Amino acid sequence: EAEVAQSPRYKITEKSQAVAFWCDPISGHATLYWYRQILGQGPELLVQFQDESVVDDSQLPKDRFSAERLKGVDSTLKIQPAELGDSAMYLCASSSTWTEAFFGQGTRLTVV
Amino acid sequence: DAKTTQPTSMDCAEGRAANLPCNHSTISGNEYVYWYRQIHSQGPQYIIHGLKNNETNEMASLIITEDRKSSTLILPHATLRDTAVYYCIVSNAGNNRKLIWGLGTSLAVNP
Repeated sequence: EAEVAQSPRYKITEKSQAVAFWCDPISGHATLYWYRQILGQGPELLVQFQDESVVDDSQLPKDRFSAERLKGVDSTLKIQPAELGDSAMYLCASSSTWTEAFFGQGTRLTVV
Repeated sequence: DAKTTQPTSMDCAEGRAANLPCNHSTISGNEYVYWYRQIHSQGPQYIIHGLKNNETNEMASLIITEDRKSSTLILPHATLRDTAVYYCIVSNAGNNRKLIWGLGTSLAVNP
């Protein structure tokens, strides 16, 4: 069964450092989402892509976060500089017009 | 903000049916009801969705009231592996769907 791949699975970084997460969606899925999930809460949408275009980044803290999906396939989410409050699970999901959103296993970020 | 309200937690005995309620009184005519679940430390998993008719698949059944203001997810024979947080979400369909997540219901299936 096709899966959304994310790496790394876990990441520990010091505050003020840069960190990047990678996501490879299910083949053929045009829509890609990045979510942040703080422990005990539901996922919060950071950015949504349709192919290579951003369709929603209203909740993305643009002073420190950036996301790209250059060829409309895989995607990278970057944080620079990382802050203590960025510690969370970062989830990637993908979907097509006729399927529901499928999620990866996420990247657990700890900022120390 | 999430457009749904769910109980914070529920318990269910293994082998019994688990009935998880969800209120969505402000749902629009073109919005679907989606259910996902999240097992500890994993990504959310899609369960089922519906517009106005009841739906059933291999995982669960979804019962939507006639006025569409509430729904119930039914796990017919809960197992220990069904212990998870269950999220009820209302959203339009297609490429413009926007899933806005609340806190969900933490379901504990007990032996």
